[in-house]
Amino acid sequence: DAGVIQSPRHEVTEMGQEVTLRCKPISGHNSLFWYRQTMMRGLELLIYFNNNVPIDDSGMPEDRFSAKMPNASFSTLKIQPSEPRDSAVYFCASSFGEWGDTQYFGPGTRLTVL
Amino acid sequence: QKEVEQNSGPLSVPEGAIASLNCTYSDRGSQSFFWYRQYSGKSPELIMSIYSNGDKEDGRFTAQLNKASQYVSLLIRDSQPSDSATYLCAVNQAGTALIFGKGTTLSVSS
Repeated sequence: DAGVIQSPRHEVTEMGQEVTLRCKPISGHNSLFWYRQTMMRGLELLIYFNNNVPIDDSGMPEDRFSAKMPNASFSTLKIQPSEPRDSAVYFCASSFGEWGDTQYFGPGTRLTVL
Repeated sequence: QKEVEQNSGPLSVPEGAIASLNCTYSDRGSQSFFWYRQYSGKSPELIMSIYSNGDKEDGRFTAQLNKASQYVSLLIRDSQPSDSATYLCAVNQAGTALIFGKGTTLSVSS
């Protein structure tokens, strides 16, 4: 059974460019989470969807970040325009249930903004 | 602000020893507690969850929770080199986001 799928696995872009990260959650899971991980700040929740609806986006750093979940099997995280400080590993996770249930993480996207 | 604190380490133990990883949290209303393991360059994977005070054992792993002291720990018995990784503590209360600690790096030497 496939786990959480993320693409691309690595992304190198130049400052000012638009970046789109993609996530396919585990089939049957109804909660999806986007995290960002850096050495300095650790693992931070950016946004949480439940049944395709954004429930908590308080972790989204600023207006340059946006996330969508058009259906139960696909989500995107977009950064426009990107900045060097956005360089990090971005993880998508999904769970069957809500906040307190086990979250299964995807392999992550390593983003480097030059 | 809700916080989860872990000693960053590295915690170094010899093969076969017991590794003890500790975590404290600030929100007294926390109800769910998780330990994730993250190998270098990989994603976090759940090791154990614990919801009530006391010990919970799963193979070589034991999670311990003390809500009065706002403290959760993970013991790894008979540590193996393959246990070398970063261990993340995560905490939440019902209806709120998981808050992750920054992790403790464990190194098991053979």
